[in-house]
Amino acid sequence: TQLLEQSPQFLSIQEGENLTVYCNSSSVFSSLQWYRQEPGEGPVLLVTVVTGGEVKKLKRLTFQFGDARKDSSLHITAAQPGDTGLYLCAGALEETSYDKVIFGPGTSLSVIP
Amino acid sequence: DAGVTQSPTHLIKTRGQQVTLRCSPKSGHDTVSWYQQALGQGPQFIFQYYEEEERQRGNFPDRFSGHQFPNYSSELNVNALLLGDSALYLCASSSPGRENWLGYTFGSGTRLTVV
Repeated sequence: TQLLEQSPQFLSIQEGENLTVYCNSSSVFSSLQWYRQEPGEGPVLLVTVVTGGEVKKLKRLTFQFGDARKDSSLHITAAQPGDTGLYLCAGALEETSYDKVIFGPGTSLSVIP
Repeated sequence: DAGVTQSPTHLIKTRGQQVTLRCSPKSGHDTVSWYQQALGQGPQFIFQYYEEEERQRGNFPDRFSGHQFPNYSSELNVNALLLGDSALYLCASSSPGRENWLGYTFGSGTRLTVV
């Protein structure tokens, strides 16, 4: 059974603080995505990482793909209330020739003004 | 450029009834995947359609079935609804193949409530 784990499950921080969310698995992924989802809406793609060790930056968000392509992290600098939402990681399993994708359970982030 | 369109947005059904949810993929995408998301949880994969065929399936019972039409739009059908089927149903479109897959484009979902 393939599993993606995320930690922490819940995070409540003050505006301006930094935070890191982790995504871990025993499976190897050909690519990994991070999404943000707001209540009542579908997830919105933030970034895709495909190379082990890859680091991508999107304004105040920094994404890293582990060297072995089994884990990833999302770091937010100087969090703002607009960052509030459910952060989901999703991995495309390397074992298949097409995109079999599994999602983690999500990290619910609340940024307090 | 229209994204993924799902209908209806909300639905209330009685236990034992049947429901059909609809999805139009993003322009240029020909693969449609369906996910079930319970409150406070991550999306769970139901199945994926490509070239009008079910290409892969998650751990969902046969009560969940689907279809893809020649214009790439898709339907999700659920028979004999149970209270536990209450969830947000998400449709995601993408391009085929691992080499080209850069992530999903999701619709806003259909909120199904079974009473």
